[in-house]
Amino acid sequence: AQSVTQLDSQVPVFEEAPVELRCNYSSSVSVYLFWYVQYPNQGLQLLLKYLSGSTLVKGINGFEAEFNKSQTSFHLRKPSVHISDTAEYFCAVREIQGAQKLVFGQGTRLTINP
Amino acid sequence: DVKVTQSSRYLVKRTGEKVFLECVQDMDHENMFWYRQDPGLGLRLIYFSYDVKMKEKGDIPEGYSVSREKKERFSLILESASTNQTSMYLCASSLYSSGGSDTQYFGPGTRLTVL
Repeated sequence: AQSVTQLDSQVPVFEEAPVELRCNYSSSVSVYLFWYVQYPNQGLQLLLKYLSGSTLVKGINGFEAEFNKSQTSFHLRKPSVHISDTAEYFCAVREIQGAQKLVFGQGTRLTINP
Repeated sequence: DVKVTQSSRYLVKRTGEKVFLECVQDMDHENMFWYRQDPGLGLRLIYFSYDVKMKEKGDIPEGYSVSREKKERFSLILESASTNQTSMYLCASSLYSSGGSDTQYFGPGTRLTVL
């Protein structure tokens, strides 16, 4: 079984500041890793995903994430945030083999202050 | 673009009522999923389906059932709604791939309140 821990439930930052949202996972098998974003009153949409290859993954809206196998982490970063980045962010994992279901973390609410 | 639609954005029901939440996707996806989202708990999988008339339990199936009579439609049923089922319900779909790398596409959600 897999589990995902998002270490911060809320992250407030000022506009144009850098941000890092932390995600750690636990799994006995190899996994794919995902970050999804949920804007207010909307469903989730994919930001980026790590399947294989380069451990640095670039996604939409200037976000990137780095897969660290030894630390079982997949932290999300953005060098300069904008007010429009205010949203809830979810980290998720899925087994490479086996059931095609996602296991989500608890979510991190990112608030951008002017 | 993939579109996943859910029949209602907001729903208010009474304890004991039978509740149907409908989800439709327009991209011929094999896989469909129902999650519930609660603050501090993230999304938890209720049921999923790999094909028509096939279903598998997720992590929290108790109190729910599902139906998939057509490929594009996946229904979540609360046989007898209870107050602890007040939540946001999200439907998702994905294309089948043997490696499991397919992206899940989400609907806008249904916020259900059970009084």
